[in-house]
Parts: sequence; structure tokens; C-alpha cells
Amino acid sequence: QKEVEQNSGPLSVPEGAIASLNCTYSDRVSQSFFWYRQYSGKSPELIMSIYSNGDKEDGRFTAQLNKASQYVSLLIRDSQPSDSATYLCAVGTALIFGKGTTLSVSS
Amino acid sequence: KAGVTQTPRYLIKTRGQQVTLSCSPISGHRSVSWYQQTPGQGLQFLFEYFSETQRNKGNFPGRFSGRQFSNSRSEMNVSTLELGDSALYLCASSPGTLGGRLSLEQYFGPGTRLTVT
Repeated sequence: QKEVEQNSGPLSVPEGAIASLNCTYSDRVSQSFFWYRQYSGKSPELIMSIYSNGDKEDGRFTAQLNKASQYVSLLIRDSQPSDSATYLCAVGTALIFGKGTTLSVSS
Repeated sequence: KAGVTQTPRYLIKTRGQQVTLSCSPISGHRSVSWYQQTPGQGLQFLFEYFSETQRNKGNFPGRFSGRQFSNSRSEMNVSTLELGDSALYLCASSPGTLGGRLSLEQYFGPGTRLTVT
């Protein structure tokens, strides 16, 4: 059974801090990895995709992938209260989702 | 570009009935996937259609079925509804290819909230 694991949180950070979200996956042959943000009552919104080992940066977001360790992470720099949401890690093409990490950014 | 649209947004059905949900993908996207989201199980993959063919299927009973039309619009059907089918049903579309390379990013619609009583 393919699994994606995330710490459910909540992860609480002060405004302006770096939030670090982590994800591990079980299927060693996975090639595509995604981070989604979901606000309460809304559908998931794609933040980042990453396919190769290393870092990928987009604005305040950095995704990091380590296929050998089967580990994906998302860093959010200069966290804002509007970043407070559930962050979902997804793996594969028929996406396997983690249960999500709830992030709370306090002003 | 308009996003993924789903209709209806809310639906209340009775046990034993059947339901059909509709999804219109982003213009130009050829892949449509369906997911079920519940508080207990999270987001679970139902199936994916590409060029009118089911390309992947998740671990759901045969009561859950889908199809895709030539214009990439998709429908999913749930027959003999059970209380446990109450969930948010999400449709996501993906280009398939973009500029000649594989593009796997999936973009979600607003979902259909199904309540089974």
C-alpha cells in the first residue's frame, strides 16, 4: 500500500518566521511530488511541484526533494497570517495524499 | 483562463439512490481525475480519464464509475448510495503535456459536497 505521511500538527509559527513542513512517502519509484494548500471549506490549491532531487524555489516557497531518503519538504519564508491553512503533500500521477499539516501563523 | 468547474456544488440524496456529478476541466487540459475527501480518510483517488479512456483507478467499489467525453468534460456516477459516501468530491484537471513535455500538475475544482441521508 502506497503511503504518504505528514505530521498533522498544528505547526505554530510567528509572523515573519520560516515554516518547515515535512513529508515522507513509501513508493520508492515515485517521480512526481506536489504541495497543495487548502483553506477550510475550500478545495486544494497547487503551490509547488518538484520532480528532481534538490531545491526548487518559487517566491517565498521552497520545495526540497530527497529521493534516496524518500522525503519531501516545503519551506515557507516570511510566514504571513494568510498562510494559515492545511498543507497537503501529494505523490505520483494518481495522486496519493498525506493527511495534511495544519499551519497557524500568529501576528 | 477559466478554472475547473463542477456541478452541482451541493447535493442531498437518500440511501439507495444514485447520483451523477459533472466536471469541466481547464480549457486544453486532457486529463481529468476524481478524488473523494472525508475528514477520516482525507483525499483519496477515485479514477483518472485521459482522451476518453480510464487510465488509472483507485481502490473504490464498482458503485463508483466515471466517463469522459470528447470535449474532455467528465462525469462520475455513484449508484446505490450509502451513508459513508457522504463526502466532498473533487475533480482535478491536468494538461498531460505542455510544450512537448510531460506536465503532471493537477488543478482542482471547487468540489461537490454530497450528503447522503
